[in-house]
Amino acid sequence: AQKITQTQPGMFVQEKEAVTLDCTYDTSDPSYGLFWYKQPSSGEMIFLIYQGSYDQQNATEGRYSLNFQKARKSANLVISASQLGDSAMYFCAMRQNSGTYKYIFGTGTRLKVLA
Amino acid sequence: KAGVTQTPRYLIKTRGQQVTLSCSPISGHRSVSWYQQTPGQGLQFLFEYFSETQRNKGNFPGRFSGRQFSNSRSEMNVSTLELGDSALYLCASSRDRTTDTQYFGPGTRLTVL
Repeated sequence: AQKITQTQPGMFVQEKEAVTLDCTYDTSDPSYGLFWYKQPSSGEMIFLIYQGSYDQQNATEGRYSLNFQKARKSANLVISASQLGDSAMYFCAMRQNSGTYKYIFGTGTRLKVLA
Repeated sequence: KAGVTQTPRYLIKTRGQQVTLSCSPISGHRSVSWYQQTPGQGLQFLFEYFSETQRNKGNFPGRFSGRQFSNSRSEMNVSTLELGDSALYLCASSRDRTTDTQYFGPGTRLTVL
């Protein structure tokens, strides 16, 4: 069965420093997509970055990059030069690219950026 | 391009009542999914609609139902509300079911008293 694991319930990072949020996944499907979403206290889930299972290079979007290690089944999010506005919940998600195409979400990591 | 919109944003109901939540997807998006988010259970998948047909359903009782209209707008209904139904209900849309990214709306925060 597909599963997403985020082992860090909470993280602190100093402003302007980089931080890595961990995500491991489990699937037997060869084709899948991995996503990261940010959820501020307002509640809306904001899409950050996507990595396909067949993508050769790690995805990057501005200050966000996804450290994809397929053999280890990990898809860690790296936020560079943290800003106070980065304080939020971060969710890792996986979509299987066959069958039901459902999204599976992890339990999230609460990031607090310190001034 | 307008994002996913959800109405109402906040709702207070009492036990036993029913409620209808609405979701308008991004223009051109035909897939709409609904999620329930609570502090204890996290983000749980309710159902997905595509081309007015329910394609997937999560493990929720029959009190939870939904539908999708020809313009891709979707509604979900919860009948006979229980205290445990208090949650943030999130709607997400995507262009298709298989390859596109889901984009979420701001959510409807339902409180059941």
